[in-house]
Amino acid sequence: GAGVSQSPSNKVTEKGKDVELRCDPISGHTALYWYRQSLGQGLEFLIYFQGNSAPDKSGLPSDRFSAERTGGSVSTLTIQRTQQEDSAVYLCASSSTRADYGYTFGSGTRLTVV
Amino acid sequence: AQKVTQAQTEISVVEKEDVTLDCVYETRDTTYYLFWYKQPPSGELVFLIRRNSFDEQNEISGRYSWNFQKSTSSFNFTITASQVVDSAVYFCALSEAVYGGYQKVTFGTGTKLQVIP
Repeated sequence: GAGVSQSPSNKVTEKGKDVELRCDPISGHTALYWYRQSLGQGLEFLIYFQGNSAPDKSGLPSDRFSAERTGGSVSTLTIQRTQQEDSAVYLCASSSTRADYGYTFGSGTRLTVV
Repeated sequence: AQKVTQAQTEISVVEKEDVTLDCVYETRDTTYYLFWYKQPPSGELVFLIRRNSFDEQNEISGRYSWNFQKSTSSFNFTITASQVVDSAVYFCALSEAVYGGYQKVTFGTGTKLQVIP
């Protein structure tokens, strides 16, 4: 597609429920990244994909968080047993293999855990 | 480890004033890339500029200019004759040498700019 698409744009969920956030990167971008932005905070790196593999998962805050990418395209970030501290905007970005290019970000999913 | 510091949390200026957003970075690599992103109230991050560590030339794009100084590890961003539409959170970011297309970008905490009409 023309840009990075994320869905849903907003998600309200009850504490303890599982949620899935979806990211559809720019066609042809092999690298995909998930970041989290808590209210008034900077961007916190979560995980990186190159193709379907995730060489760097170092930012996932706990084992309740997992992500996968299929077909070198769409990625899903899953949060199990959500907690109130998981409330944030989850941003997805993709990039080409060119080292000097920045990311293209999606508009994010605003997750609220009540 | 790489680190980006944006010491200014919030800045308010009156329209048409010039404003400079500071960014200081830390890295052990000799090859790295610096970026600025804009996040308007709508929320989507917009890429503004990238520089590589071997190019210290300052850059100007319309009312925007960037001053890269390796000696002080700074990459400051100046908006000339600010406008209300410039109101946003601005993030400075750094990525180190890329292997296999991977560039892990570290972001600063952002500077919120408010331009008052």
